[in-house]
Amino acid sequence: DVKVTQSSRYLVKRTGEKVFLECVQDMDHENMFWYRQDPGLGLRLIYFSYDVKMKEKGDIPEGYSVSREKKERFSLILESASTNQTSMYLCASTYALEQFFGPGTRLTVL
Amino acid sequence: AQSVTQLDSQVPVFEEAPVELRCNYSSSVSVYLFWYVQYPNQGLQLLLKYLSGSTLVESINGFEAEFNKSQTSFHLRKPSVHISDTAEYFCAVSEGAGSYQLTFGKGTKLSVIP
Repeated sequence: DVKVTQSSRYLVKRTGEKVFLECVQDMDHENMFWYRQDPGLGLRLIYFSYDVKMKEKGDIPEGYSVSREKKERFSLILESASTNQTSMYLCASTYALEQFFGPGTRLTVL
Repeated sequence: AQSVTQLDSQVPVFEEAPVELRCNYSSSVSVYLFWYVQYPNQGLQLLLKYLSGSTLVESINGFEAEFNKSQTSFHLRKPSVHISDTAEYFCAVSEGAGSYQLTFGKGTKLSVIP
């Protein structure tokens, strides 16, 4: 069974903190994605990766960076968290055009 | 560039009534189409997909969607909804092999009223 896990379901951080969101998939998928989900805006793509050490900007990369040192792990980094980054963050990996999602991390920045 | 429009942000419907959630897309090339469902406090799950072949696709829990190329639509339907169908539904489009990105609509919240 396909499994995508995210390190935290809920996270509370303070403005200016460096935040790491981790995503792990156990399916040997090459493609992985980070989205943020906000009410009324749907899912917006932040970054994606086609392979280890490869990364591409999505639609809203400002304020974020990513790291993919191993195939199974894709990390999203908020270098200096701000209140407008309070959101639900969803990770996904892809096989044969189908995206498999993790449960999401609800991040609150105070 | 591709885009997806979900015409209704919220759809309330009584239990056992039929429902249609509308989705239109724009793309200059052939597309693959998807409906995802998100139950409260969960990630997204694939509900059904159109890749090729029959334009009518079905899910295991009674939903169906029809790809209409001339109207660039992929509406989701169910003839009789259940309380457990209460969720948010997202339509998504991919421009095909080699492009693994999905473009999502803004979602439709389906509320089933007992």
